[in-house]
Amino acid sequence: GAGVSQSPRYKVTKRGQDVALRCDPISGHVSLYWYRQALGQGPEFLTYFNYEAQQDKSGLPNDRFSAERPEGSISTLTIQRTEQRDSAMYRCASSETSGRETQYFGPGTRLLVL
Amino acid sequence: QKEVEQNSGPLSVPEGAIASLNCTYSDRGSQSFFWYRQYSGKSPELIMFIYSNGDKEDGRFTAQLNKASQYVSLLIRDSQPSDSATYLCAVKGAGNNRKLIWGLGTSLAVNP
Repeated sequence: GAGVSQSPRYKVTKRGQDVALRCDPISGHVSLYWYRQALGQGPEFLTYFNYEAQQDKSGLPNDRFSAERPEGSISTLTIQRTEQRDSAMYRCASSETSGRETQYFGPGTRLLVL
Repeated sequence: QKEVEQNSGPLSVPEGAIASLNCTYSDRGSQSFFWYRQYSGKSPELIMFIYSNGDKEDGRFTAQLNKASQYVSLLIRDSQPSDSATYLCAVKGAGNNRKLIWGLGTSLAVNP
């Protein structure tokens, strides 16, 4: 596609429910990144993939958070047993494999846990 | 100590002035440095990247990198009201890990 897309754009869920957030990177981009951004803060790194391999998941807050990219393209970030503190903007970005790590961001998914 | 630090601002400058945004980082082995702009309610978008010591100019924007001082800055000449946004500094560390470490951002207001 022309840019990074994310779905849904908004998600309201009840505490304890599982949610799955989707990211479709720019076509041909090898690397895919997940971030969480609170209002007035910079992006907080969660995890990233090269192709289908998860290279770094050090930013995932706890074991309720997981991510996958099974075919090296679309990625899903799953949050199990959501809690109110999970409410945030979740952003996805992708980059090429040229050695220059310029990241291009999607529009984000606003998650609200009630 | 946070790995990438920025003054949160707000930084307020008059239209036409030079805006100077600063960023310091703690990892001396950091390789790549990025400035992103984020308008309220929007996603970050890349303005400039710099890899080598010195200055890099692109239109009204100049990035300056001093690895010895672990300092990177962004200058915006002839500031316009449309430059009003939050400016995020991001740093890639040493090695093959592509993870970027982000500052909290500096809010810039350009007053007409």
